[in-house]
Amino acid sequence: GAVVSQHPSWVICKSGTSVKIECRSLDFQATTMFWYRQFPKQSLMLMATSNEGSKATYEQGVEKDKFLINHASLTLSTLTVTSAHPEDSSFYICSASIGAGASYEQYFGPGTRLTVT
Amino acid sequence: GQNIDQPTEMTATEGAIVQINCTYQTSGFNGLFWYQQHAGEAPTFLSYNVLDGLEEKGRFSSFLSRSKGYSYLLLKELQMKDSASYLCAVRDGAGNTPLVFGKGTRLSVIA
Repeated sequence: GAVVSQHPSWVICKSGTSVKIECRSLDFQATTMFWYRQFPKQSLMLMATSNEGSKATYEQGVEKDKFLINHASLTLSTLTVTSAHPEDSSFYICSASIGAGASYEQYFGPGTRLTVT
Repeated sequence: GQNIDQPTEMTATEGAIVQINCTYQTSGFNGLFWYQQHAGEAPTFLSYNVLDGLEEKGRFSSFLSRSKGYSYLLLKELQMKDSASYLCAVRDGAGNTPLVFGKGTRLSVIA
């Protein structure tokens, strides 16, 4: 099946610094990738839709200047958390779909656990 | 608005059958997904329903009633490794639109 990777799998950073998370589709091309955030015992909350070659579409309440998304190629999307604060500590998950067929099934990356101290 | 409801927690015995319900109210409907998520890991795809009825895949089955805004995931012959969160998600738009997730049901399988 389709494989999506994320790097790093976990990261600890100091408050005020920036962190970049990469999401790659390894064996398929993804024109669209999605970024989610999940707090403990909560569901996945969509942050933004990342479109290759164009600006990301952010969900209401998500600061686009704080969470920078770049989708420079059909296999790579990056999320940069700028000026991180402890409240940004969360599990960040990306997903990608092949975009073919009726289901447009989404394949999830393994997630990145961010801890801001 | 978008609203997807599922029970927060369930407990079932190894070897038994458990049904996890999901009700949804969304602005549109273009398919319902069930995902399994173990703690600290990403969700993995279990099933997809877009038409009414039952979809069976091994020990897992999923049912959909669009008129009632209702789905369930049925797990048979429960195993300890089935202990996980089960997420119900709805695609509310056409094409490759993002999924709206419920809060998940934490299933504990006990001996």
